[in-house]
Amino acid sequence: AQSVTQLDSQVPVFEEAPVELRCNYSSSVSVYLFWYVQYPNQGLQLLLKYLSGSTLVESINGFEAEFNKSQTSFHLRKPSVHISDTAEYFCAVSPYSGGGADGLTFGKGTHLIIQP
Amino acid sequence: DVKVTQSSRYLVKRTGEKVFLECVQDMDHENMFWYRQDPGLGLRLIYFSYDVKMKEKGDIPEGYSVSREKKERFSLILESASTNQTSMYLCASSPPVGGAFFGQGTRLTVV
Repeated sequence: AQSVTQLDSQVPVFEEAPVELRCNYSSSVSVYLFWYVQYPNQGLQLLLKYLSGSTLVESINGFEAEFNKSQTSFHLRKPSVHISDTAEYFCAVSPYSGGGADGLTFGKGTHLIIQP
Repeated sequence: DVKVTQSSRYLVKRTGEKVFLECVQDMDHENMFWYRQDPGLGLRLIYFSYDVKMKEKGDIPEGYSVSREKKERFSLILESASTNQTSMYLCASSPPVGGAFFGQGTRLTVV
C-alpha cells in the first residue's frame, strides 16, 4: 500500500515570490510520482510526472519537481509565481506494477494562494 | 485532444433516489476510475475497472456500485442516495504507465 503526505494544507505567497509545495510518500514498492493541479470548479490536470531518468522534471508553465528517493520526497517548486497559479495542488503516486490498474494514491492537497 | 467526459457538471437528487453518474473516455484506455473529493480529505478511490465487465473495490465502495459494459464507458451508481454522499465525483482513465486523465467532475448534492 502507498500513502502520500502533503505537509501544508494552505500556502500563501506574494506574487513573483518563489514557492515550494512539499510532498512525501511511503510505499513498499517502487512508484511513479505525479503532481496534479485543480483550478476552481474543474477536474484535475496533470502538471508533471516522474517515471524514470533525470530526477528533476519540469512543466511547461515553470514548475519543477525533484524526486529524492532517500528522503521519499517529490517537492514542487516555482521560482516566481503568478496570480494565475492560484489553485489546489495534489501530489500522487502509482505503483510500478499493475499496469496502472491500481490507480493513484493522492495526498490531501495544498491550496496555493497568491497575494498581489 | 484526449478527453474524459462526465455527463453532468451539477446534479441535485433526493435522499433515497437511485443516481447514475456516467463517464466516457475516447483514449481507448483499459483502466478507469471513480474518485470522490471532499474538502480536507483529498481524493478517495471508490471503484476501478481494468477491463470491460471487470470491477474492483477501492477504498470507500460502501453505498456505491459500478458498471462497465463497454470499454469507453464507466458508470457509478448510488443505489439509494444519502446526504453523506453529497460530494464532488471525479472520473479518470489511464494508460498502463504515465498517470491518469480526469473528467471535469460532477458536483452532486443530495437533499
